[in-house]
Amino acid sequence: DAGITQSPRHKVTETGTPVTLRCHQTENHRYMYWYRQDPGHGLRLIHYSYGVKDTDKGEVSDGYSVSRSKTEDFLLTLESATSSQTSVYFCAIRDFQETQYFGPGTRLLVL
Amino acid sequence: DAKTTQPTSMDCAEGRAANLPCNHSTISGNEYVYWYRQIHSQGPQYIIHGLKNNETNEMASLIITEDRKSSTLILPHATLRDTAVYYCIVRVAGTGSARQLTFGSGTQLTVLP
Repeated sequence: DAGITQSPRHKVTETGTPVTLRCHQTENHRYMYWYRQDPGHGLRLIHYSYGVKDTDKGEVSDGYSVSRSKTEDFLLTLESATSSQTSVYFCAIRDFQETQYFGPGTRLLVL
Repeated sequence: DAKTTQPTSMDCAEGRAANLPCNHSTISGNEYVYWYRQIHSQGPQYIIHGLKNNETNEMASLIITEDRKSSTLILPHATLRDTAVYYCIVRVAGTGSARQLTFGSGTQLTVLP
């Protein structure tokens, strides 16, 4: 395993509530990514980070924000969750050979 | 990144070699071939990657044709745990950019007892 954990692994929340997902790595890699996976859409990039406090948007960033105050942690926040954000969220890190390794995922259900 | 084409599904008998093909006829000279798999409900798992030479690791072998327009992932002795969706991805490496991975539909490999 690549030393990536995600928390929580499962979450049920209500529309309009804020939600924060955490990705933690023990590998000290610079690049970290948040993807979401939905049936019929494959994996889509939400946001990524290329260092502490350095982040950028992916293809489906609307409704999401991220923060990276430490190398090992990359947080994904849904400021006001909507039902369309029901999904499986995967965090990934990238090593020096530019290979990405994925975490176990967080299943989020927004009611 | 070059587009890839994979069969939708394949079956393989347990203990036999699983050979998963991928076509990437528009691949450029600086693009690598990556293979990932995703077992149901788990995160994608990196398997192997290569540029032009054949590669082997503890999980699999990657055979890339001389013209680099296609490749084959080989699982030498498939087990039931190898049942998963296998993704072939072509992407440029070494650019220093973030470059997300783009997963296509992949091949559903089912290993039969």
